Amino acid sequence: KQEVTQIPAALSVPEGENLVLNCSFTDSAIYNLQWFRQDPGKGLTSLLLIQSSQREQTSGRLNASLDKSSGRSTLYIAASQPGDSATYLCAVSSSASKIIFGSGTRLSIRP
Amino acid sequence: DTAVSQTPKYLVTQMGNDKSIKCEQNLGHDTMYWYKQDSKKFLKIMFSYNNKELIINETVPNRFSPKSPDKAHLNLHINSLELGDSAVYFCASSSLGQGARTEAFFGQGTRLTVV
Repeated sequence: KQEVTQIPAALSVPEGENLVLNCSFTDSAIYNLQWFRQDPGKGLTSLLLIQSSQREQTSGRLNASLDKSSGRSTLYIAASQPGDSATYLCAVSSSASKIIFGSGTRLSIRP
Repeated sequence: DTAVSQTPKYLVTQMGNDKSIKCEQNLGHDTMYWYKQDSKKFLKIMFSYNNKELIINETVPNRFSPKSPDKAHLNLHINSLELGDSAVYFCASSSLGQGARTEAFFGQGTRLTVV
Protein backbone atom coordinates (compact mmCIF):
# COMPACT_ATOMS: atom_id res chain seq x y z
CA LYS A 1 0.00 0.00 0.00
CA GLN A 2 1.46 3.33 -1.09
CA GLU A 3 2.17 5.80 1.68
CA VAL A 4 3.45 9.33 1.14
CA THR A 5 5.19 11.28 3.88
CA GLN A 6 6.20 14.93 3.88
CA ILE A 7 8.76 16.46 6.18
CA PRO A 8 8.69 18.94 7.78
CA ALA A 9 5.01 19.47 8.59
CA ALA A 10 5.63 23.19 8.97
CA LEU A 11 8.47 25.52 8.09
CA SER A 12 9.05 29.21 8.71
CA VAL A 13 11.97 31.02 7.11
CA PRO A 14 12.92 34.64 6.44
CA GLU A 15 12.41 36.07 3.01
CA GLY A 16 15.23 35.47 0.55
CA GLU A 17 16.32 32.09 1.87
CA ASN A 18 16.56 28.99 -0.27
CA LEU A 19 14.66 26.04 1.13
CA VAL A 20 13.97 22.36 0.54
CA LEU A 21 10.77 20.44 1.14
CA ASN A 22 10.93 16.67 1.35
CA CYS A 23 8.61 13.92 0.21
CA SER A 24 9.04 10.17 0.53
CA PHE A 25 6.94 7.29 -0.75
CA THR A 26 6.96 3.59 0.04
CA ASP A 27 6.20 1.97 -3.33
CA SER A 28 8.47 2.85 -6.23
CA ALA A 29 5.95 1.58 -8.83
CA ILE A 30 4.68 5.03 -9.76
CA TYR A 31 3.74 6.78 -12.98
CA ASN A 32 4.71 10.20 -11.77
CA LEU A 33 5.07 12.55 -8.84
CA GLN A 34 3.43 15.94 -8.70
CA TRP A 35 3.94 18.93 -6.43
CA PHE A 36 0.98 21.15 -5.65
CA ARG A 37 0.44 24.36 -3.82
CA GLN A 38 -2.68 25.09 -1.78
CA ASP A 39 -3.50 28.51 -0.39
CA PRO A 40 -5.90 28.73 2.59
CA GLY A 41 -9.48 28.10 1.52
CA LYS A 42 -8.45 27.53 -2.09
CA GLY A 43 -8.00 24.66 -4.50
CA LEU A 44 -4.83 22.91 -5.60
CA THR A 45 -2.45 24.50 -8.06
CA SER A 46 -0.08 22.17 -9.89
CA LEU A 47 3.54 23.33 -9.63
CA LEU A 48 5.65 20.59 -11.17
CA LEU A 49 5.15 17.11 -12.59
CA ILE A 50 7.98 14.58 -12.77
CA GLN A 51 7.39 11.42 -14.78
CA SER A 52 8.84 8.21 -13.36
CA SER A 53 11.56 8.18 -16.04
CA GLN A 54 12.71 11.71 -15.20
CA ARG A 55 15.08 12.93 -12.50
CA GLU A 56 14.05 16.55 -12.15
CA GLN A 57 11.87 19.37 -13.41
CA THR A 58 12.30 23.12 -13.12
CA SER A 59 9.88 26.01 -13.29
CA GLY A 60 11.17 29.46 -12.44
CA ARG A 61 12.47 29.45 -8.86
CA LEU A 62 11.20 25.92 -8.28
CA ASN A 63 13.12 22.72 -8.87
CA ALA A 64 11.78 19.28 -8.09
CA SER A 65 13.87 16.11 -8.08
CA LEU A 66 12.86 12.47 -8.08
CA ASP A 67 14.83 9.44 -6.93
CA LYS A 68 12.41 6.63 -7.60
CA SER A 69 14.65 3.85 -6.35
CA SER A 70 14.95 5.40 -2.90
CA GLY A 71 11.36 6.69 -2.88
CA ARG A 72 12.24 10.34 -2.44
CA SER A 73 11.51 13.70 -3.97
CA THR A 74 12.53 17.19 -3.00
CA LEU A 75 11.10 20.57 -3.90
CA TYR A 76 13.70 23.32 -3.89
CA ILE A 77 12.51 26.93 -3.69
CA ALA A 78 15.12 29.56 -4.44
CA ALA A 79 15.08 33.10 -3.09
CA SER A 80 11.83 32.63 -1.17
CA GLN A 81 9.23 35.41 -1.13
CA PRO A 82 6.26 36.10 1.19
CA GLY A 83 3.98 35.14 -1.70
CA ASP A 84 5.39 31.62 -1.52
CA SER A 85 3.62 31.11 1.81
CA ALA A 86 1.17 28.24 1.36
CA THR A 87 0.82 24.51 1.97
CA TYR A 88 2.85 22.39 -0.42
CA LEU A 89 1.55 18.93 -1.24
CA CYS A 90 3.37 16.03 -2.79
CA ALA A 91 1.32 13.40 -4.65
CA VAL A 92 2.26 10.16 -6.40
CA SER A 93 0.27 8.57 -9.18
CA SER A 94 0.34 4.80 -8.94
CA SER A 95 -0.61 2.07 -11.39
CA ALA A 96 -3.94 1.55 -9.66
CA SER A 97 -5.47 4.79 -10.95
CA LYS A 98 -4.79 6.45 -7.63
CA ILE A 99 -3.14 9.70 -6.73
CA ILE A 100 -1.91 9.46 -3.15
CA PHE A 101 -1.14 12.64 -1.25
CA GLY A 102 1.23 13.43 1.56
CA SER A 103 -0.04 15.45 4.50
CA GLY A 104 1.68 18.60 3.26
CA THR A 105 4.25 21.11 4.46
CA ARG A 106 2.86 24.43 5.68
CA LEU A 107 5.37 27.05 4.57
CA SER A 108 5.55 30.57 5.98
CA ILE A 109 7.96 33.14 4.57
CA ARG A 110 8.62 36.02 6.98
CA PRO A 111 9.13 39.45 5.37
CA ASP B 1 -11.58 28.50 -19.61
CA THR B 2 -11.59 26.40 -16.43
CA ALA B 3 -10.09 22.93 -16.88
CA VAL B 4 -11.94 21.21 -14.01
CA SER B 5 -15.04 22.92 -12.68
CA GLN B 6 -17.18 21.96 -9.71
CA THR B 7 -20.54 23.26 -8.60
CA PRO B 8 -21.56 24.45 -6.15
CA LYS B 9 -18.57 26.05 -4.46
CA TYR B 10 -20.35 26.17 -1.09
CA LEU B 11 -23.10 23.91 0.17
CA VAL B 12 -24.79 24.23 3.56
CA THR B 13 -27.46 21.70 4.36
CA GLN B 14 -29.20 19.96 7.24
CA MET B 15 -28.53 16.46 8.48
CA GLY B 16 -30.51 13.82 6.67
CA ASN B 17 -30.77 15.71 3.39
CA ASP B 18 -29.61 14.43 0.02
CA LYS B 19 -27.30 16.60 -2.09
CA SER B 20 -25.25 16.43 -5.26
CA ILE B 21 -21.99 17.98 -6.39
CA LYS B 22 -21.26 18.25 -10.09
CA CYS B 23 -17.88 18.07 -11.80
CA GLU B 24 -16.89 18.62 -15.40
CA GLN B 25 -13.51 18.57 -17.13
CA ASN B 26 -12.76 19.94 -20.59
CA LEU B 27 -9.28 18.43 -20.91
CA GLY B 28 -10.26 15.24 -22.70
CA HIS B 29 -8.91 13.18 -19.80
CA ASP B 30 -10.00 9.57 -19.35
CA THR B 31 -9.75 9.38 -15.56
CA MET B 32 -11.67 11.39 -12.98
CA TYR B 33 -11.47 11.36 -9.20
CA TRP B 34 -13.22 12.54 -6.08
CA TYR B 35 -11.21 13.49 -3.01
CA LYS B 36 -12.25 14.52 0.50
CA GLN B 37 -10.17 17.03 2.45
CA ASP B 38 -10.94 16.84 6.14
CA SER B 39 -10.50 19.42 8.86
CA LYS B 40 -6.84 18.44 9.21
CA LYS B 41 -6.40 19.27 5.52
CA PHE B 42 -5.50 15.70 4.55
CA LEU B 43 -6.59 14.77 1.03
CA LYS B 44 -8.01 11.27 0.77
CA ILE B 45 -9.14 9.59 -2.41
CA MET B 46 -12.76 8.45 -2.47
CA PHE B 47 -13.40 7.29 -6.03
CA SER B 48 -11.59 6.91 -9.31
CA TYR B 49 -13.32 6.45 -12.66
CA ASN B 50 -11.69 5.53 -15.96
CA ASN B 51 -13.72 5.92 -19.14
CA LYS B 52 -16.93 6.07 -17.10
CA GLU B 53 -16.11 2.87 -15.20
CA LEU B 54 -15.51 2.73 -11.46
CA ILE B 55 -11.91 1.73 -10.74
CA ILE B 56 -11.36 2.71 -7.14
CA ASN B 57 -13.81 2.86 -4.23
CA GLU B 58 -11.89 3.54 -1.07
CA THR B 59 -14.31 2.04 1.47
CA VAL B 60 -16.59 5.02 1.17
CA PRO B 61 -20.03 4.59 2.78
CA ASN B 62 -22.66 3.61 0.26
CA ARG B 63 -24.48 6.85 1.04
CA PHE B 64 -21.98 8.30 -1.45
CA SER B 65 -22.81 7.38 -5.03
CA PRO B 66 -20.70 8.72 -7.88
CA LYS B 67 -22.17 8.85 -11.36
CA SER B 68 -20.30 9.34 -14.60
CA PRO B 69 -22.70 10.00 -17.50
CA ASP B 70 -19.73 10.49 -19.84
CA LYS B 71 -15.95 10.82 -19.71
CA ALA B 72 -16.14 14.56 -19.06
CA HIS B 73 -18.43 14.41 -16.04
CA LEU B 74 -18.26 12.78 -12.62
CA ASN B 75 -20.98 13.80 -10.20
CA LEU B 76 -21.18 12.91 -6.52
CA HIS B 77 -24.51 12.28 -4.85
CA ILE B 78 -24.70 12.00 -1.09
CA ASN B 79 -27.72 10.55 0.70
CA SER B 80 -28.74 11.07 4.32
CA LEU B 81 -26.03 13.59 5.07
CA GLU B 82 -24.27 13.35 8.43
CA LEU B 83 -22.29 15.90 10.44
CA GLY B 84 -19.10 13.97 9.68
CA ASP B 85 -19.57 14.53 5.98
CA SER B 86 -18.64 18.19 6.46
CA ALA B 87 -15.44 18.70 4.49
CA VAL B 88 -14.11 20.10 1.24
CA TYR B 89 -14.64 17.79 -1.72
CA PHE B 90 -12.33 18.04 -4.71
CA CYS B 91 -12.82 16.67 -8.18
CA ALA B 92 -9.79 15.96 -10.37
CA SER B 93 -8.86 14.49 -13.73
CA SER B 94 -5.85 13.04 -15.50
CA SER B 95 -5.14 10.73 -18.40
CA LEU B 96 -3.08 7.64 -19.13
CA GLY B 97 -1.34 7.31 -22.47
CA GLN B 98 1.84 5.74 -23.82
CA GLY B 99 2.73 4.33 -20.42
CA ALA B 100 2.68 7.68 -18.66
CA ARG B 101 0.04 9.43 -16.63
CA THR B 102 -0.49 13.10 -17.35
CA GLU B 103 -0.55 15.98 -14.93
CA ALA B 104 -3.60 15.90 -12.70
CA PHE B 105 -5.82 18.95 -12.51
CA PHE B 106 -8.08 19.75 -9.61
CA GLY B 107 -11.26 21.72 -9.30
CA GLN B 108 -11.59 24.57 -6.82
CA GLY B 109 -13.40 22.40 -4.31
CA THR B 110 -16.87 22.29 -2.80
CA ARG B 111 -17.09 23.21 0.87
CA LEU B 112 -19.87 21.11 2.33
CA THR B 113 -21.21 22.04 5.76
CA VAL B 114 -23.79 19.79 7.39
CA VAL B 115 -25.69 21.40 10.27
